[in-house]
Amino acid sequence: GAGVSQSPSNKVTEKGKDVELRCDPISGHTALYWYRQSLGQGLEFLIYFQGNSAPDKSGLPSDRFSAERTGGSVSTLTIQRTQQEDSAVYLCASSFYGVNPGELFFGEGSRLTVL
Amino acid sequence: EDKVVQSPLSLVVHEGDTVTLNCSYEVTNFRSLLWYKQEKKAPTFLFMLTSSGIEKKSGRLSSILDKKELFSILNITATQTGDSAVYLCAVEEYGNKLVFGAGTILRVKS
Repeated sequence: GAGVSQSPSNKVTEKGKDVELRCDPISGHTALYWYRQSLGQGLEFLIYFQGNSAPDKSGLPSDRFSAERTGGSVSTLTIQRTQQEDSAVYLCASSFYGVNPGELFFGEGSRLTVL
Repeated sequence: EDKVVQSPLSLVVHEGDTVTLNCSYEVTNFRSLLWYKQEKKAPTFLFMLTSSGIEKKSGRLSSILDKKELFSILNITATQTGDSAVYLCAVEEYGNKLVFGAGTILRVKS
């Protein structure tokens, strides 16, 4: 596809369950970000992948959160033992680091609701 | 700790008004400052600024960066209802992540 694709677009889960959110970045983009946005809030940085470098995980809020990026392309954000405070929109973005690394292309987000 | 602060948090204006949105930042290895517009879901890119004093323009929107005072402004002239959105400022460091501010919610009333 031409843009960043995220799935699922909506996820409702029960407290304590694990969830996986998927991001397909734009082909050829070397940088990939995950952000979290709660209602009426700004974008909270979670994790950043750049090429083959070790990811910057400094924004992950707890050890229940993890992410991986396979083959330098698709990324999966996993939240274990979900809590109600995890409810938010999870946005993925990618960029081509060698050109305009700050120009991020965002997906439509995955809205997570933890009951 | 790096931070990006936007003001005002929210703003309500009438069509035709001019607005100025502010973004101040503190980062250790500045590379660029970016403005994004978020209407419903995905933020969309507006401007990237790397040099002080050089205005970037796109239609009724313009932005400028002051690297000495560590801030940027986004101006919107002759506002329209379609300008209603959250405007996000982000700062990029060399080799590092983009850090976003909390955003300014702009509502343009007809």
